[in-house]
Amino acid sequence: AQSVTQLDSQVPVFEEAPVELRCNYSSSVSVYLFWYVQYPNQGLQLLLKYLSGSTLVESINGFEAEFNKSQTSFHLRKPSVHISDTAEYFCAVISGGSNYKLTFGKGTLLTVNP
Amino acid sequence: DAGVIQSPRHEVTEMGQEVTLRCKPISGHNSLFWYRQTMMRGLELLIYFNNNVPIDDSGMPEDRFSAKMPNASFSTLKIQPSEPRDSAVYFCASSPLGTNGYTFGSGTRLTVV
Repeated sequence: AQSVTQLDSQVPVFEEAPVELRCNYSSSVSVYLFWYVQYPNQGLQLLLKYLSGSTLVESINGFEAEFNKSQTSFHLRKPSVHISDTAEYFCAVISGGSNYKLTFGKGTLLTVNP
Repeated sequence: DAGVIQSPRHEVTEMGQEVTLRCKPISGHNSLFWYRQTMMRGLELLIYFNNNVPIDDSGMPEDRFSAKMPNASFSTLKIQPSEPRDSAVYFCASSPLGTNGYTFGSGTRLTVV
């Protein structure tokens, strides 16, 4: 069975500070990993994904995540955050044999303060 | 492409009434998913379909909930009778069959009073 653990439910930071949102997964087979972002009162939007190849993946708005198989992690990072990055971030996994079912973590609320 | 379309955006109903939520997936997507989001439980997968066939409905909370997908372009989630604890945001998502991730609709905010 696949599962996702987001270790921090809330992460407050100041504008222009770096941030890391942690995500660990458990699966006994190959995995495909995703980060989604949910802005207030909106649906979820795909931020970035790891399917294969380079373990470092990037989004268009400066976020990046690195797939680490040995640590079963897929942490999300940004070197300098903006107030507009305030949102809830969800890590998710599809594992081989799961019938393409996407399992989400409980989310991390990132609050960027001026 | 208009994306995944859900209706209504907001629904307020009285306890005991039937509620029907609607979803139109992205054309060409083979998989459709219904999620419920609450503060207490986060995102919960209720049911999902591959090629219009229900694959896993183990997340449906009880018999009051039912979902159908009569064709590739339409799905409904019905609650009958509704209860206040059903109040939540219900999301529909669709994807091509495979590992590319889902596209979510804007959700239906359901309030049962």
